[in-house]
Amino acid sequence: NFMLTQPHSVSESPGKTVTISCTRSSGSIASNYVQWYQQRPGSSPTTVIYEDNQRPSGVPDRFSGSIDSSSNSASLTISGLQTEDEADYYCQSYDSSNHWVFGGGTKLTVL
Amino acid sequence: QVQLVESGGGVVQPGGSLRLSCAASGFIFSNYGMHWVRQAPGKGLERVAFIRYDGSIKYYADSVKGRFTISRDNSKNTLYLQMNSLRTEDTALYYCAKAYQAYRTDYWGQGTLVTVSS
Repeated sequence: NFMLTQPHSVSESPGKTVTISCTRSSGSIASNYVQWYQQRPGSSPTTVIYEDNQRPSGVPDRFSGSIDSSSNSASLTISGLQTEDEADYYCQSYDSSNHWVFGGGTKLTVL
Repeated sequence: QVQLVESGGGVVQPGGSLRLSCAASGFIFSNYGMHWVRQAPGKGLERVAFIRYDGSIKYYADSVKGRFTISRDNSKNTLYLQMNSLRTEDTALYYCAKAYQAYRTDYWGQGTLVTVSS
């Protein structure tokens, strides 16, 4: 099965833009949709991006998702960073047997 | 609004059993698949099981296959996870989550904590 690798942590200042990567170890990143979940401390995860680049209603358009076949990775970009964006972010995908794979999570610190 | 309320967690010895429940409301439960996802303390997420809306299809993570059983009672709007032969590595917060598709979720509960310890 494949793995999804994320940076352990990233940090950026309020108002700036940050990008979190999620690299698939084998098979094409484009083969199966990628979702991104936000988990604030002490809270349950919530979806911020689904199907590579779709935003659920209620998620600000500061959040965007993309995939890059050349690097076999997905990315979550958050622009106009706010202190409330400080959280753990997880990418997630699946295989043809509906076996789910989560990335290890990235801790975003908004300095 | 969608509500998912898990219960049944607790402390159990290795080799023991527990049954988790997830009471659903705010949507037509019988129309949607459901997931159980767990998170060990300070660790990442792992989807342990999925059940189709009618119970006809079930998927399990390799780590729990043969030990855990997912089921549902659509007349009671309730999802279950029967956990047998529990191991210390099963210690985690267990979330139930509503499936929008089999490959993603759109709502999560608050979780119920399972601690496996002697």
